[in-house]
Amino acid sequence: AQSVSQHNHHVILSEAASLELGCNYSYGGTVNLFWYVQYPGQHLQLLLKYFSGDPLVKGIKGFEAEFIKSKFSFNLRKPSVQWSDTAEYFCAVNEPTDSWGKFQFGAGTQVVVTP
Amino acid sequence: DAGVTQSPTHLIKTRGQQVTLRCSPKSGHDTVSWYQQALGQGPQFIFQYYEEEERQRGNFPDRFSGHQFPNYSSELNVNALLLGDSALYLCASSLLQTTDTQYFGPGTRLTVL
Repeated sequence: AQSVSQHNHHVILSEAASLELGCNYSYGGTVNLFWYVQYPGQHLQLLLKYFSGDPLVKGIKGFEAEFIKSKFSFNLRKPSVQWSDTAEYFCAVNEPTDSWGKFQFGAGTQVVVTP
Repeated sequence: DAGVTQSPTHLIKTRGQQVTLRCSPKSGHDTVSWYQQALGQGPQFIFQYYEEEERQRGNFPDRFSGHQFPNYSSELNVNALLLGDSALYLCASSLLQTTDTQYFGPGTRLTVL
């Protein structure tokens, strides 16, 4: 069965610092990869997704993620965070052969950006 | 354009009771998925409905059941509630052809005492 591991449960950093959140998955086949964000009091929202092609994908709000197939990783990055990036971030995986869209989520990383 | 809506927002039940949660998908979406998010955890897939049928199911007992109506809205029913069922229940909608992109609702917070 698939599993998704997020390396950090909590991250605290200052504004303008760089952010990198780790995500590893265990599945040998082809997968679709996602990062979702949940801002305080808001719904889960899609930040970015990777299906195929260029392993460096860009999402909303200056976020990007890199798919490294050999490492089964899909790490999220942002060069310079803002206070408004305080949120919980979830990595998720699904199998493109699974046409019904069952997602496997990681446990999430709570990110706090201090002014 | 209304997004995914869920009701109620919060619910308190006691052990052994039954609960029904409701979800209206985003306009134009035909597929509804339900997730359970326990405190400090990521969402766990419960099941997915399309054309009023359960298409796929996660590792949840039969106490969890659902329904989808002709207007694509959906219900999640949980029988014989346990303390461990306390969680945020999320509904996500999508178009079947693009189930890779799911839109989430705000969730229903269920507390079982």
